[in-house]
This record gives sequence, C-alpha cells and structure tokens, in this order.
Amino acid sequence: DTGVSQDPRHKITKRGQNVTFRCDPISEHNRLYWYRQTLGQGPEFLTYFQNEAQLEKSRLLSDRFSAERPKGSFSTLEIQRTEQGDSAMYLCASSLAHLVAGGPTYEQFFGPGTRLTVL
Amino acid sequence: KNEVEQSPQNLTAQEGEFITINCSYSVGISALHWLQQHPGGGIVSLFMLSTGKKKHGRLIATINIQEKHSSLHITASHPRDSAVYICAVSSQNSGGSNYKLTFGKGTLLTVNP
Repeated sequence: DTGVSQDPRHKITKRGQNVTFRCDPISEHNRLYWYRQTLGQGPEFLTYFQNEAQLEKSRLLSDRFSAERPKGSFSTLEIQRTEQGDSAMYLCASSLAHLVAGGPTYEQFFGPGTRLTVL
Repeated sequence: KNEVEQSPQNLTAQEGEFITINCSYSVGISALHWLQQHPGGGIVSLFMLSTGKKKHGRLIATINIQEKHSSLHITASHPRDSAVYICAVSSQNSGGSNYKLTFGKGTLLTVNP
C-alpha cells in the first residue's frame, strides 16, 4: 500500500447526471476526509469519517451529495443531478494520529484527487 | 475575512533565491500544516507544527503561536520547487477532537532557471 488512491482521476459528465467517486485510504488509517477544491482556491472541507461513522458534514454538502464508508475502509462520494457549479477537484485524505501539545491531531495524507467537469 | 490568510498569492523568483511565504490565522489551532500541490492536483504534506521551528532539507517552517503567524522558507530555490504552497490549520472544536483542516488559498511559486 503506497498511499491514498482515488478513482477515477478525471470525470466529465453532463448536467443532471449522477457521478460516484471512490477513495481507498492508507490501510491502517481509521479517519477519512473529503475536500473540494475549485480553481484558484484552497480545498474546503466536505465531510469526514471515523471508521464507518460519518461524524461531520459541511454545509457545503447539499442534499445532492452523499458519502459512505460502509466497512470502514474505502469511501464513496456520490453527487446526484450534477450542476455546473459542482465542477471541481474532489480530494480524499486519510489520517494517522499525532500527539501534540493541546491534544491529539491528525496529519493527513492526500490522494491525487478526482477532477470533475460538468458540462 | 478568511480564517487562514496567505501572502503573497503569487511569487516569482530566480533560481538560488531565498523564498518566504507567510501565513496568518485567526482561530485557535492545535497544529499548522504546510502542504505542497503540483499541477494535476496531488497534495503532499511538508510540515505539521504546533511550536517553534522545523527543518527538512532546504525547507524551514516556523510558527509564532502568540502572533498567530507562520512562515515557510525555501533556501537555494530551484525550478523543481515551483508549485502551490498551502497553509492549513487543524482547528480546535468544543469537543477537543482536532481533525478537519481549514486551508488558505495557496501561494503559487514559480522559480525560473
């Protein structure tokens, strides 16, 4: 296992279609994150899982978006009825705990991303 | 105002120059991260720090918790250093579990030969 992988790397779809992305984290990592990055901006948090439990969702994640991590390993992010505004890079990361002053924190390891273009 | 601000947004340097990228943040944090992103999207973690200074090769990261400020320095810059450098913070939440990252917009560095 050499790192976080994402599939597909690129997806072009027409407005209104559904798309699904997959993320395979580093095998021993129990935390998995999804981020979205639009051109010229830094990534924005979408949601995260600890094992199979989805613990937080950003308000950016409208009801057209759903994420799952059914067995606490790989995760999928589905976008229904895609809109042109959904065009972005979708990044997945997984984490390993580090103890620092003030409590545990988690260094995140990123996948290569899935670039979505909605026509 | 964004919670994480970086400057400059764009930076062009000649090979060999000393480079500094700055990051200021306005929230309580447990750690600050410097990340590198090459064209095509992949993000690599360079540093995670909560106090003081860290060095790795030609890269140096410093943080001043009182001033809520961090800097990333590159010594003897090289064209292969050309990339987007992103500052991100692990925020403290009420539950004390520090997880999601809040990112700056990034600094596009171009090093010319």
